[in-house]
Amino acid sequence: EDQVTQSPEALRLQEGESSSLNCSYTVSGLRGLFWYRQDPGKGPEFLFTLYSAGEEKEKERLKATLTKKESFLHITAPKPEDSATYLCAVQESGGSNYKLTFGKGTLLTVNP
Amino acid sequence: NAGVMQNPRHLVRRRGQEARLRCSPMKGHSHVYWYRQLPEEGLKFMVYLQKENIIDESGMPKERFSAEFPKEGPSILRIQQVVRGDSAAYFCASSPAGASYEQYFGPGTRLTVT
Repeated sequence: EDQVTQSPEALRLQEGESSSLNCSYTVSGLRGLFWYRQDPGKGPEFLFTLYSAGEEKEKERLKATLTKKESFLHITAPKPEDSATYLCAVQESGGSNYKLTFGKGTLLTVNP
Repeated sequence: NAGVMQNPRHLVRRRGQEARLRCSPMKGHSHVYWYRQLPEEGLKFMVYLQKENIIDESGMPKERFSAEFPKEGPSILRIQQVVRGDSAAYFCASSPAGASYEQYFGPGTRLTVT
C-alpha cells in the first residue's frame, strides 16, 4: 500500500530563518508528487507537481525537489504569511493513477 | 473565474439524520473527486466520478455513503443515518478530463454530528 510520511509534524521558525520540510514516500511506481498548502478552515491550495527524480520547481520563497524516495520543500527567508500546513501527496502510476494519497502534513509557524 | 464551490461550508446533523454535501466543479472540469479529512488524519480518497458515472468508489464506506454526479447540477455526497464518527471535513476536487494530475480543491464542508 502507498505510504506518505511527512516530517516534522510541526515546525516553528523565526522570520527569515530558512528550513526544509520532508516528504518520504513508498509507491510501486510514481506518477507524480504534489505539494499543497492548507490554511485553517480552507481547502488545499496547489503549489507544485514533480514527476521525476532530480526535478526542481520554485515559487517565490518555496522550492520543491524530488529524489526516488523523498521530496523536500525548502523555505527560504520565510515570512509570517507562509504559516500554514503543507501537505505532500503522491499519485501512483497504473490503474488508479487519479488517486491522491496524502501525508498528514507539516504545520509551519513563522514568528515575526 | 470561480474555483471549486462546496456547500454548505458547515453542516450540523444529529445522529441518524441525513447529510447532503454539494460540489460544483471548476468551469470546464468534468471530473470530481471526494476526499475526507478526519481529525489528526491526512486526506483520504473516497470516490471519483465523471458525469453520470462512478469510476471508483473504493474509498467510500460500503454502507450509508453514496455519491452522484448528474448530467446537470452539482455532485452530491450523501451520508445516511450519520454517526459521530462521520464528523470530518469533506473536500471535493475537480480536474479537466484526462488531467487527474490537476486536481483543484474546494473549501470543504465541515460536518459535525451531535
